[in-house]
Amino acid sequence: IAGITQAPTSQILAAGRRMTLRCTQDMRHNAMYWYRQDLGLGLRLIHYSNTAGTTGKGEVPDGYSVSRANTDDFPLTLASAVPSQTSVYFCASSEGTNGELFFGEGSRLTVL
Amino acid sequence: GQNIDQPTEMTATEGAIVQINCTYQTSGFNGLFWYQQHAGEAPTFLSYNVLDGLEEKGRFSSFLSRSKGYSYLLLKELQMKDSASYLCAVRDSNYQLIWGAGTKLIIKP
Repeated sequence: IAGITQAPTSQILAAGRRMTLRCTQDMRHNAMYWYRQDLGLGLRLIHYSNTAGTTGKGEVPDGYSVSRANTDDFPLTLASAVPSQTSVYFCASSEGTNGELFFGEGSRLTVL
Repeated sequence: GQNIDQPTEMTATEGAIVQINCTYQTSGFNGLFWYQQHAGEAPTFLSYNVLDGLEEKGRFSSFLSRSKGYSYLLLKELQMKDSASYLCAVRDSNYQLIWGAGTKLIIKP
């Protein structure tokens, strides 16, 4: 089934630990995004990549890093997790930078 | 700063019509999106407006007025499955999407 796969679906993590959220798409979309969604706030962009080999910072990049070694994969890493990073994380992709976004099912992360 | 405003919550009756408004102030405009998000699920695309006017797609319609910085999503013949959050997003001059906090729509029988 074509789309975006995120893993893990849910994770509880101790503060200070390193964590990588995985995102893979099979639609051959050039652009990929990582958002976090918190209650009462709109989706906030963490990092994005307009094409393989390039990445950019979004609205809330601090504490997160990404890489885009190929078209399909766009992992998000929390180098040292803090409780304020407790959130639902969505990976998304679009065919171009002005196309509609397709979202993965989300990764619910709790940092204690 | 950039801002998207939508009502936090709305309630409507099954079979009725509801209009969800969205006002925006952004640096530039390159289109407005509406997404639907059921609780615990991912957002899914509903509509896209880049020119003024009404776009109709089945029971859902979306309207845009760029001069007023205003859009609405109109849902007709409401069904219980329409209970969800509706997210408004504007693409700015840098082609980044700015998202509203979403409107939670509750449908009552």
